[in-house]
Amino acid sequence: LAKTTQPISMDSYEGQEVNITCSHNNIATNDYITWYQQFPSQGPRFIIQGYKTKVTNEVASLFIPADRKSSTLSLPRVSLSDTAVYYCLVEGAGGFKTIFGAGTRLFVKA
Amino acid sequence: KAGVTQTPRYLIKTRGQQVTLSCSPISGHRSVSWYQQTPGQGLQFLFEYFSETQRNKGNFPGRFSGRQFSNSRSEMNVSTLELGDSALYLCASSLKPGEMNTEAFFGQGTRLTVV
Repeated sequence: LAKTTQPISMDSYEGQEVNITCSHNNIATNDYITWYQQFPSQGPRFIIQGYKTKVTNEVASLFIPADRKSSTLSLPRVSLSDTAVYYCLVEGAGGFKTIFGAGTRLFVKA
Repeated sequence: KAGVTQTPRYLIKTRGQQVTLSCSPISGHRSVSWYQQTPGQGLQFLFEYFSETQRNKGNFPGRFSGRQFSNSRSEMNVSTLELGDSALYLCASSLKPGEMNTEAFFGQGTRLTVV
């Protein structure tokens, strides 16, 4: 099972771009990467998902290098409401795997 | 459409008791996964069900069990509760497991407190 490693916490200011990197050295060929956002007392919410290269949606971008041993979630111009915990998850053909990382607590300041 | 519904939202039980938590997935979703979240251990995978069959199981003792019904609703049961079982139990549903572009939707969870 691919284990993920993320920074425990990050601070940023409103309007800045935030990049959170996740390491997953043992990712398997059929695995893909998903990022979730979680606010206190709520369930995680899907942000973005990718297999390789770059994926962009209306809230974030996901960069995955060729070796796929890491991925970077990019949040453009964060606001106070982006203060949350962000989880990187490696998923594969077997469904959800037991590898939600510890998450990165992002704190956005005014 | 309605989201993932977990009941009850809050629960207080005594050590040694057993508890059953319920999860109703989004209509049409056939995959349900359960997670335990504690401040110290983060989000830990319990088990995953698809079409009434358990597909994956996390590293939890046999006191933790689950099942899925033909309407895709799922229950998880914890027997002989211990203080350490106090946690937020989250359920997630998706159309099919293990496929990319299959987004999972989480419920708000059941906060279990064991005293």
